[in-house]
This record gives sequence, C-alpha cells and structure tokens, in this order.
Amino acid sequence: ILNVEQSPQSLHVQEGDSTNFTCSFPSSNFYALHWYRWETAKSPEALFVMTLNGDEKKKGRISATLNTKEGYSYLYIKGSQPEDSATYLCAPKSGGFKTIFGAGTRLFVKA
Amino acid sequence: DTAVSQTPKYLVTQMGNDKSIKCEQNLGHDTMYWYKQDSKKFLKIMFSYNNKELIINETVPNRFSPKSPDKAHLNLHINSLELGDSAVYFCASSQDRMDGSYNEQFFGPGTRLTVL
Repeated sequence: ILNVEQSPQSLHVQEGDSTNFTCSFPSSNFYALHWYRWETAKSPEALFVMTLNGDEKKKGRISATLNTKEGYSYLYIKGSQPEDSATYLCAPKSGGFKTIFGAGTRLFVKA
Repeated sequence: DTAVSQTPKYLVTQMGNDKSIKCEQNLGHDTMYWYKQDSKKFLKIMFSYNNKELIINETVPNRFSPKSPDKAHLNLHINSLELGDSAVYFCASSQDRMDGSYNEQFFGPGTRLTVL
C-alpha cells in the first residue's frame, strides 16, 4: 500500500455537530486498517482495527466503516465535543509488517 | 507504568554531532518501530524490528542506525547530525507475528530533536 489519502485535511465544527471524514487506499493486497487519534503534544492512540469488508466498529460517539473492495474507510463522530479535537490518522496495512499512515484529518471542535 | 518510553524527550545539539535516542517497551511486544514526523506532520516509517531482527529499513540516510539489544529495546543512533534531521521521532511497538496477525501500535511520547 503506497498511497493513502485522507480528506478533508482539516475540519472546523461546532460542539454538537456530527462529522465524518474519509480514508482512501489502494484496494489490492489489503490486509487491515487502523484508525488512530492523535491529540496535540501527545502520541497517536489506536481507536479501531478493521480487517473485513463491511466491518463496522463503534466506540462511544465514534464509529468507523470499511469498504475493502473500493478502498475506503469512513470515520464518524456523533455530537462532537471539544475534547474530540485531534488529528485522526488512518493506517492501512498490506501483508507483512509495514503500515502506511495517512496525513490525517485535523478536527477542531469549538465550544 | 509507561508502556513505551523514550529518552530523551528533548534533544538540542549542534550540527555534526552524534546522538542516540533510546526506546523501551514493557508490553512484551515482538515488533518495534521508529517513525519520523516530518515538517508536514506526516508519520514516516524509518525502521522496524521483529524479535531483534531488522524487517523494515526505509530509505533513510545511512547516518541513521537502529540497534535492538533485545526485544524490549530499540535505539536510534544518528551520526553527523544535519539541520534537516530536526524533527520529532516516535518509537512504537506492536504484537505483530510472522503469521500475519496484527495488533495496533503503541507509541512513545516522542523525542523532539533540534539541530542547530
């Protein structure tokens, strides 16, 4: 997997808004995909790992879906809160040990 | 108890010097990584070790040399530091196995290297 694209690059929303962003990756030789949450001045932390086409994962107000046939994953945040402000990275992985990180979507939630 | 630790957290040094960054994980993981966060905030893989064996060696200058004395440690040594080496370096670990099973990576706090 060489080319991972995340959109939008940044997003400004109001508290209470729901939002979503996209991760696109080449669908060939797909093995798994991780979403990470990266707060400013901290380290990335894993949110979800997904492996199967059609996978849906949920953690509180955050959920993610995976389409391996067309090569995309969506991350949804329902009712955004200021503490959701962070960069969200997607990291698809082909077979083997190499994970490629996308550039991330930077989310700003205004109170 | 810190799962993945890095030392030092900040490193300011002169061009031409040699420096090392240390990483330790107490999670019992098999695989460790070094990433460089570049000027555009991308996380770029540099190296990865699985059970002390080098498995990923990306195109980085050979001034960068990783060393894994055991499964729990992966150190990064940089010779002849250049201005362009200034960045944040992250260590990470995961429980990957040769059978392809795959778990998330746990990251250290990062080391901010500034080369003057």
